[in-house]
Amino acid sequence: QKEVEQDPGPLSVPEGAIVSLNCTYSNSAFQYFMWYRQYSRKGPELLMYTYSSGNKEDGRFTAQVDKSSKYISLFIRDSQPSDSATYLCAMSYGGSNYKLTFGKGTLLTVNP
Amino acid sequence: NAGVTQTPKFRILKIGQSMTLQCTQDMNHNYMYWYRQDPGMGLKLIYYSVGAGITDKGEVPNGYNVSRSTTEDFPLRLELAAPSQTSVYFCASRLPDAQETQYFGPGTRLLVL
Repeated sequence: QKEVEQDPGPLSVPEGAIVSLNCTYSNSAFQYFMWYRQYSRKGPELLMYTYSSGNKEDGRFTAQVDKSSKYISLFIRDSQPSDSATYLCAMSYGGSNYKLTFGKGTLLTVNP
Repeated sequence: NAGVTQTPKFRILKIGQSMTLQCTQDMNHNYMYWYRQDPGMGLKLIYYSVGAGITDKGEVPNGYNVSRSTTEDFPLRLELAAPSQTSVYFCASRLPDAQETQYFGPGTRLLVL
């Protein structure tokens, strides 16, 4: 079983739709949970992060972490064409560990 | 403040050739990373460094080497290029206490023929 599983999509939605992106993971030691956004032919950039369990909201974006189910989600409300990108989940053990473990990424297209 | 810069943007190599991918950051970040990204495969860590003079292997280090003589620079060396090294290479950096935030460069596209 891979450490982090993410459905690569592609996912295509109409403008204004609610988008749900998800990752599952196998190692309960992960403490930090991130979502990175990567536009075509660009480097990834941090979108949101959550430490341990719970929800975090930032404008149209909500990140959820359910550590009991080893499941994280990113919700995008009122999706816009500018949200079209690849979304990568990432996780870290924290502490002295320096590395992130990435999912494969989900390609999202929001159609006007 | 340029952030993380990478050169070249694109390169074609012949099998067996060598090259160095350059990475520079101007944010005084101790931690730096090299990843490769293959289509649909996410990011795989090649090497990382927690400070000048300190480097360590990631999950896919074979065929690559790194050095870190300064805080700013973290070059990645490819020796004897192989078609399997065709990929997009990203350099990233972060502060020691910022577990979640890695700043990525724009990437180098490498094609080995």
